[in-house]
Order: sequence, then structure tokens, then C-alpha cells
Amino acid sequence: DTGVSQDPRHKITKRGQNVTFRCDPISEHNRLYWYRQTLGQGPEFLTYFQNEAQLEKSRLLSDRFSAERPKGSFSTLEIQRTEQGDSAMYLCASSLAGRWTDNEQFFGPGTRLTVL
Amino acid sequence: KNEVEQSPQNLTAQEGEFITINCSYSVGISALHWLQQHPGGGIVSLFMLSSGKKKHGRLIATINIQEKHSSLHITASHPRDSAVYICAVRSRHNTDKLIFGTGTRLQVFP
Repeated sequence: DTGVSQDPRHKITKRGQNVTFRCDPISEHNRLYWYRQTLGQGPEFLTYFQNEAQLEKSRLLSDRFSAERPKGSFSTLEIQRTEQGDSAMYLCASSLAGRWTDNEQFFGPGTRLTVL
Repeated sequence: KNEVEQSPQNLTAQEGEFITINCSYSVGISALHWLQQHPGGGIVSLFMLSSGKKKHGRLIATINIQEKHSSLHITASHPRDSAVYICAVRSRHNTDKLIFGTGTRLQVFP
């Protein structure tokens, strides 16, 4: 399967614990995006990378959230001291941005986080 | 007011019916996406368009840039079309992030 993959698919944790999610983009894609979707809502933008550079961060991304893409390939999203309000689906997408591309985003299956 | 509004929020149909889902947006855009999300969360891109009309099988997407409006049509609907359909726009202003509508939940009954 050469699509976007995310790991784990489901995570249940207790309030106050740290969690880390991984996203592997489509291999030649230079851009990687993180979104968060709460129940019954559309996804909301969190952050995105071009290669290893983090180009934009949403105000939704509090100090407890950090994202990295150290080698410009896979990315990790860490949430420290989780709160019940962090319970959501965390979606990753990737795209190929360039002068002659349409930069269409392709989504992974998501990681569903439940904070007890 | 959300920057991307969809209607209706919920839609039920009988198999074979023609379905229309609408999306209005208030920002300048470089592209608009129609996405499909099944229970379990995975999102599939159906269309990305910046003008005119695109067709893929029984699905048709149109966009009117002047009116800031797009529609997704499903012809000859089928129970397997049951899903949440989400409209998302890419802002024109030097950012690649998508701004999403809240989705339209479609149920097609046999």
C-alpha cells in the first residue's frame, strides 16, 4: 500500500499521560499536514510541513502539542499531559507541492485518541 | 459564521434518487475539495476543482467562483454511497491549509 499511513489507529490513554502519533506520507510527497476532527465536526488544521520545515501552526496547537518531521519523511505529533478535550481523530495528509503540481492532499486513515 | 458552510447537514434518500449537496464559502480560494468519509474515519478525496465541472462515474462536482458556491451531485444513488461528504477549501492567501465544512451525512436506503 503506497498511501498515507498512520500509527496507531486507536489510542486510549489516561488524562495526564503523553502520547505520540506517527504519520508516513506518500513517498515522494514533500508536504505533510496534521488535522484534528472532533465528533460531528469537520477537521481543523493543526500544522503543516514542507520537507522538514514547519511552515504554519494553528492557534489550536497549544504548548502541549508538538510536531516534527526530522528528515522530511515521516512526522510525529506528540501531545503532552493529555486532557479529555484532546479526544479526537487526528488526521494526517500529504501532498506534492511544486510549480507544475496541483498540490492535492491525500489523507491517511487517522488515529483516534480517547482520553479517559 | 463558518468560512465554509454546507447544506443540508443530514440527507436521506431512496436508492436511485439524484442527490445534491451544497457548499458555500466566504474566503478567496485557490481550490475546493469534495471529500468522502466513511464510519471509522478514513477520508477519500473525490474531487479537487478550481473552476467549472468535473465528473467521475456517478459523481459530478461543479463550482461557481463568482458566487463562491459548489455542488456535489450523485446520480442513481446507491446504499454504498452512504457516508459523510465534506467540502474543504484551500485559501488563496499563501497557505496550503484546508478549511473544512462540517459535512453532510448521507444515508441511502434500498
